[in-house]
Amino acid sequence: DTGVSQNPRHKITKRGQNVTFRCDPISEHNRLYWYRQTLGQGPEFLTYFQNEAQLEKSRLLSDRFSAERPKGSFSTLEIQRTEQGDSAMYLCASSTGTVLEKLFFGSGTQLSVL
Amino acid sequence: DAKTTQPPSMDCAEGRAANLPCNHSTISGNEYVYWYRQIHSQGPQYIIHGLKNNETNEMASLIITEDRKSSTLILPHATLRDTAVYYCILPIKAAGNKLTFGGGTRVLVKP
Repeated sequence: DTGVSQNPRHKITKRGQNVTFRCDPISEHNRLYWYRQTLGQGPEFLTYFQNEAQLEKSRLLSDRFSAERPKGSFSTLEIQRTEQGDSAMYLCASSTGTVLEKLFFGSGTQLSVL
Repeated sequence: DAKTTQPPSMDCAEGRAANLPCNHSTISGNEYVYWYRQIHSQGPQYIIHGLKNNETNEMASLIITEDRKSSTLILPHATLRDTAVYYCILPIKAAGNKLTFGGGTRVLVKP
């Protein structure tokens, strides 16, 4: 169990650029979640996958955001045409998908849009 | 969705017990109470969960009132490394056990 891995840890970009983050969940965890966290706030749910199927998307996930989990393993979160309001910590979590499960979170990718 | 209410902050002396309250008066009969914490610059970390019986693990104890409308997380001997934001959450089973984080309680353990 190597934990949930997120890359990069930090990303600085200019407004209007596209960025992509990667999440590697714990091996054999079939659920994967993306959250966003701004300074001083709790994490906000964005979306989650059951294997490769994206089962729910939050209204926070505008059409500039897209998440994929092509083979049911790692996942990517892409933000197109970044805006300053996208600056946040993007957290990934994974779980076994059982009834009384616990989520394991990565350390996040801190995005700064200049 | 059942919601939780927590005090925004509290201080605790190192070595003493920290008692973190949470109100969840609209909890339904089959909803579990989960606690996570988030240390600065890290992702949230699972602590403990329970339904109606008191629970204890290596990290903490969870006391749930008989009517299940509130609970208390107890850190028996707080250390400086327990300084974190603590979240009391009722996962949404119908939505893949999605966690809805509130503001949590910011706990500062002082030497």
